[in-house]
Formats: sequence, structure tokens, C-alpha cells
Amino acid sequence: GDSVTQMEGPVTLSEEAFLTINCTYTATGYPSLFWYVQYPGEGLQLLLKATKADDKGSNKGFEATYRKETTSFHLEKGSVQVSDSAVYFCALSEGFQKLVFGTGTRLLVSP
Amino acid sequence: GAVVSQHPSRVICKSGTSVKIECRSLDFQATTMFWYRQFPKKSLMLMATSNEGSKATYEQGVEKDKFLINHASLTLSTLTVTSAHPEDSSFYICSARQGTTNYGYTFGSGTRLTVV
Repeated sequence: GDSVTQMEGPVTLSEEAFLTINCTYTATGYPSLFWYVQYPGEGLQLLLKATKADDKGSNKGFEATYRKETTSFHLEKGSVQVSDSAVYFCALSEGFQKLVFGTGTRLLVSP
Repeated sequence: GAVVSQHPSRVICKSGTSVKIECRSLDFQATTMFWYRQFPKKSLMLMATSNEGSKATYEQGVEKDKFLINHASLTLSTLTVTSAHPEDSSFYICSARQGTTNYGYTFGSGTRLTVV
């Protein structure tokens, strides 16, 4: 079945550092790909999405490019802030099916 | 944008009692509602999917008699944890999808259930 693999965390960075969180996926067809963010004690918020190969999703300085050849959707940000500390989930959805989530990666940004 | 209101945000109940969690889509019609359970420092586990007016479809290993899901209208879905036990303590999150788009998911803010 479909699956999403994320890098283990936590990822610990200093403010203004460059962020990469790796995400790879397995799917039988052509899924849509998502990054969600979860702040402590809250539900999930959609951060960005891409619905077809080579699409780049972006929001709040975060970017991810849908790479079909490497089945990847890595999340990047050029300069992280303390307020970016959260758990980030990579997810996919194929057709009109349910979302399949990765295990989440906790990001800790220190001043 | 689309908003899903979930409450209560926190609830503490005694072992053996039942707890109801509500999710309401405030400005759109949620044709499909998903209920997740999240364990500490873990990913979200899909419990069940419900379409308005139909019986919920439960994922393998989820007790349908314990986790009752009702989706009686296009704006309201409820999850009732019956005869709760301490092992049911968890963070429960709902997600609503409007129509049949494969990216229109909106999540509630979650409910922290503690069974004592």
C-alpha cells in the first residue's frame, strides 16, 4: 500500500539556519503530496501542497518540490525562526482516498 | 478559509464512562469526515472514515462498538468513546473534506482525552 517515510527527529537548529526535512513516498499511482505542521497541543495545519510532478509548493518561506523520479517531497526553509518549532508531517493522498501520513519530524529551533 | 471546530479541547473522564467529541464544519459542507488518534510523539492513526448519512468505515483493529462515529449532517460529526479506559487516553483529531477533491482537508484542533 501507499506509505510515507520521514527522517527521524528531533531536528535541532539555531535560528536563521537552513532547514531540510526529508520525505519519500511509495504510491501505486500519482498522489498529491502535502506538508502539515502541528504546534504543541493543536491540530494539524496545511503548510503546503503539490498535486503533480515538478510542482513546487510554498508557504511562509517553506518550499517543497514534487520529485517523481526520486519519489521525494523534501521540505526546506532558508532561515528558520524559533516560531517554526513544531512537528512537521509529510503526507500523500491518492485519488480521493484518505491521507497517509509519515511519522512526523519534530523541529526545535533555539535563539 | 475552511474551518473545523472541534470540542471539547480537553476532557477528563472516569473509567467506565462515555465521552462525546464533536466536530463541526463552520463554513462548508463536510461530505467526508476522518477521525484520527495520535499517540505521544507518534504519527496520526486513522480510525475511521465517515460519509454523511452512511455508516462509518473503520480501519483494521479499531473497535467500532467502542468508538462510535455519527455523521448525521453535512456539518457535524461526532466520536463517542464508550466505556472509556485509561488506555483510551490520547489525542483525537477530526478532519473534514469538502466534496471529492483530494487536497481539501481541514483539521480540527484536537481533543486531549484523559481517562482516570
